[in-house]
Amino acid sequence: SQKIEQNSEALNIQEGKTATLTCNYTNYSPAYLQWYRQDPGRGPVFLLLIRENEKEKRKERLKVTFDTTLKQSLFHITASQPADSATYLCALDNNAGNMLTFGGGTRLMVKP
Amino acid sequence: GAVVSQHPSWVICKSGTSVKIECRSLDFQATTMFWYRQFPKQSLMLMATSNEGSKATYEQGVEKDKFLINHASLTLSTLTVTSAHPEDSSFYICSASGAAETQYFGPGTRLLVL
Repeated sequence: SQKIEQNSEALNIQEGKTATLTCNYTNYSPAYLQWYRQDPGRGPVFLLLIRENEKEKRKERLKVTFDTTLKQSLFHITASQPADSATYLCALDNNAGNMLTFGGGTRLMVKP
Repeated sequence: GAVVSQHPSWVICKSGTSVKIECRSLDFQATTMFWYRQFPKQSLMLMATSNEGSKATYEQGVEKDKFLINHASLTLSTLTVTSAHPEDSSFYICSASGAAETQYFGPGTRLLVL
């Protein structure tokens, strides 16, 4: 069965550094992958979508890569700020309409 | 754009009562709406998918008679938790999708059943 893995341990980094989060998947060939941010007690907020034929996508301080050979996506936040502290979820389409399957999320803590 | 609202944001009810949660897409037409449940420190678990005017498709293990979903228009879907019990206490989140692949999420509804 399809499986999506994100590092369940919190990632703690210093303000100004680049945060890198990983999303790995198996038994799966998604057409696209999305990253969301979720703050405690709130619904997820869409950040970026990257398609299977795209290697990299950027949006302001965010960068996402998608390696379909490694079955991995990396999510980078450059010049991180304490306000970036949140849980980040990757989600993959399951080749059935617009349905998404979510990873467990990685909590990012940016310390001033 | 792409704003989704949920109402209520939190609800406390007695065991055995029914609770209705509304999900609205405010500035776009949602051909598909999704309902998720999230327990503390866990990820989102899809409960059901609904398309406007048709019956919802429930994920395995989700009781369709307990979690009633109605998607009567392109901007409104409702989830009714019937005969709620304490184990139904959770964070319920809806999302809406239009023509594109992205799902836009509501702020969530926290349900506590006493």
